[in-house]
Amino acid sequence: LAKTTQPISMDSYEGQEVNITCSHNNIATNDYITWYQQFPSQGPRFIIQGYKTKVTNEVASLFIPADRKSSTLSLPRVSLSDTAVYYCLVGDRGPASGGSYIPTFGRGTSLIVHP
Amino acid sequence: DSGVTQTPKHLITATGQRVTLRCSPRSGDLSVYWYQQSLDQGLQFLIQYYNGEERAKGNILERFSAQQFPDLHSELNLSSLELGDSALYFCASSPRVAGQETQYFGPGTRLLVL
Repeated sequence: LAKTTQPISMDSYEGQEVNITCSHNNIATNDYITWYQQFPSQGPRFIIQGYKTKVTNEVASLFIPADRKSSTLSLPRVSLSDTAVYYCLVGDRGPASGGSYIPTFGRGTSLIVHP
Repeated sequence: DSGVTQTPKHLITATGQRVTLRCSPRSGDLSVYWYQQSLDQGLQFLIQYYNGEERAKGNILERFSAQQFPDLHSELNLSSLELGDSALYFCASSPRVAGQETQYFGPGTRLLVL
């Protein structure tokens, strides 16, 4: 089963860089790693997706080591508005799913940014 | 605004009842996903439909069922409701069938079973 493990919570201050790591030891060869952000009482929102090495967009960077057993979401210079829950998503293609891709979210990391 | 709409926003009902949640995907998206989010279970994948056909099934109870109609909107039916079914139910959509595509989530339906 593809399962993910993330820290339950993190604290930071405005202007700092935040790195959130997700472990996904059983990730399938063909599967990507996707990160979502969720504010209270809203649906998750896509942040970034990657397969290997490093991916960067206008809001974040994603670092994936060669063994792909983990990934790190990096948020540069966070602000108060980055206070949210961050989820790492991989797929589960175990026997129970019949090979279909089952989106498997971690429990999420609650990031609190302090002034 | 993701472009995905869900109705109703809130729903209060009693145990044993049946409710229907509705989702309209983004224009052009063929896949619809349903998720349940509760405080103790996190975000749980229930089921995916692609162009009217069931594509993948997660931890969906037998009391729950879903379908996707020709106009691509989807409905999630929850029956014989129990207190533990109280949760946020999200619908998401993506352009094609691949589960690894970016999913666009709706605002959710908050269900309270009393």
